[in-house]
Amino acid sequence: AQSVTQPDIHITVSEGASLELRCNYSYGATPYLFWYVQSPGQGLQLLLKYFSGDTLVQGIKGFEAEFKRSQSSFNLRKPSVHWSDAAEYFCAVAPYNNNDMRFGAGTRLTVKP
Amino acid sequence: GAVVSQHPSWVICKSGTSVKIECRSLDFQATTMFWYRQFPKQSLMLMATSNEGSKATYEQGVEKDKFLINHASLTLSTLTVTSAHPEDSSFYICSASRSGIYNEQFFGPGTRLTVL
Repeated sequence: AQSVTQPDIHITVSEGASLELRCNYSYGATPYLFWYVQSPGQGLQLLLKYFSGDTLVQGIKGFEAEFKRSQSSFNLRKPSVHWSDAAEYFCAVAPYNNNDMRFGAGTRLTVKP
Repeated sequence: GAVVSQHPSWVICKSGTSVKIECRSLDFQATTMFWYRQFPKQSLMLMATSNEGSKATYEQGVEKDKFLINHASLTLSTLTVTSAHPEDSSFYICSASRSGIYNEQFFGPGTRLTVL
């Protein structure tokens, strides 16, 4: 079965600094990969997704992620963090038919002024 | 397009009562719907997968007699928490999958259940 690891439970960055959130997956084949953001008490918002093709994926709110097959990773990046980016971030993986999505434990992002 | 709604957005009930949560795909037909549970400060855990007109498939450890899932149409799935207890208090999120090349899942806004 596939699994997702987000090594960082909590990350604090200063506003304007760059951000990288790590995500590693374990799966026999190339899965579909996703990043979601969740504000307290809210539902999930899709930031970006990778199905196939270009391994550098652009998302909303200035986020991007790069799929690296050799490292089984799909790290999320943003060049300059805004205070409004403070939230919980979830990486998710699904097999080719998208029928068995699994989420990482999440990384909580705090933004310092 | 691809909007999924849930109703209610929050519900408070007494222990021992049953609660029904609806999940609707508003602008597409969902061949498959999924139910997730999220405890405070934790990740989403898949509870069950349902296909229209079929019995739901439950994940290991999820009691199918306690969490009744009905997927009667291509736009509606319901989750009924029977004889709810305080430990069932959680955030329940559904998603709907639109058939296509990628069968992408679209998530609802979630339902906060509090059992007193």
